Amino acid sequence: EDQVTQSPEALRLQEGESSSLNCSYTVSGLRGLFWYRQDPGKGPEFLFTLYSAGEEKEKERLKATLTKKESFLHITAPKPEDSATYLCAVLGRSARQLTFGSGTQLTVLP
Amino acid sequence: GAGVSQSPSNKVTEKGKDVELRCDPISGHTALYWYRQRLGQGLEFLIYFQGNSAPDKSGLPSDRFSAERTGESVSTLTIQRTQQEDSAVYLCASSFLTQGYYGYTFGSGTRLTVV
Repeated sequence: EDQVTQSPEALRLQEGESSSLNCSYTVSGLRGLFWYRQDPGKGPEFLFTLYSAGEEKEKERLKATLTKKESFLHITAPKPEDSATYLCAVLGRSARQLTFGSGTQLTVLP
Repeated sequence: GAGVSQSPSNKVTEKGKDVELRCDPISGHTALYWYRQRLGQGLEFLIYFQGNSAPDKSGLPSDRFSAERTGESVSTLTIQRTQQEDSAVYLCASSFLTQGYYGYTFGSGTRLTVV
C-alpha cells in the first residue's frame, strides 16, 4: 500500500525566511511524485511532478527535489502570498489514483 | 469549460437525508476522480472513472456511497442516509491522461455539513 507522510504539519515563517517541507513516501514502483498548493476554501492547485531520484523542478520561489525515499519543497525568501497548505502525493506502479499526504500548513508572516 | 466545476459549493443536510453532488470535468479529460477531505486532513480517495471502463470503487467507505459518470462528462456522487461523519469537503478532479501523469485539475469542492 502506498503511503505518504508530510512534515511538519504546520510551519510559520517570517517573510524572507527560507525553509523546506518534507514528504516521505513508501511506494511500490514510483511512477510520479506530485506537489500541490491548496488555499482555504479551494481545491488543490498542481505545482510539480517529479519522476525519478535526482530530479529537480523550480517555479518562482519554490523548488522541488526528489530522492528514492523523500521529496523536499524548498521555499526561498517566502512572501505572505505563499501561505497555503502544501500537499504531496504519489502514484505507484499498481495504482490508478494518487495517494496524498496530510499536508503542511505554511504561514508566512509579513 | 475552462476548469472543473462542482455544485453545489455548500450543502447543509439533515442526518438521514440523501444528497447528490455534481462534477463537470474539463472537456476532453478522460479520467475523473472523487476525493474526500475531512477538516485538517489529507485527501481520501473515493472512486475513479476512466472512459468507458468499469469504475474503481475501492475507496468508497460504505454502500451508502455511489457514483455515476455519463461517458466522459458529468459525474454525480450520491450519499444515501447521510451521517454526521460524512461531513467533509468532497473534491472532484479530472486529468487528460490516465494515471494523471500531468497532474489532476481539481474543482473547488462541495462542503457537506450533516446536522
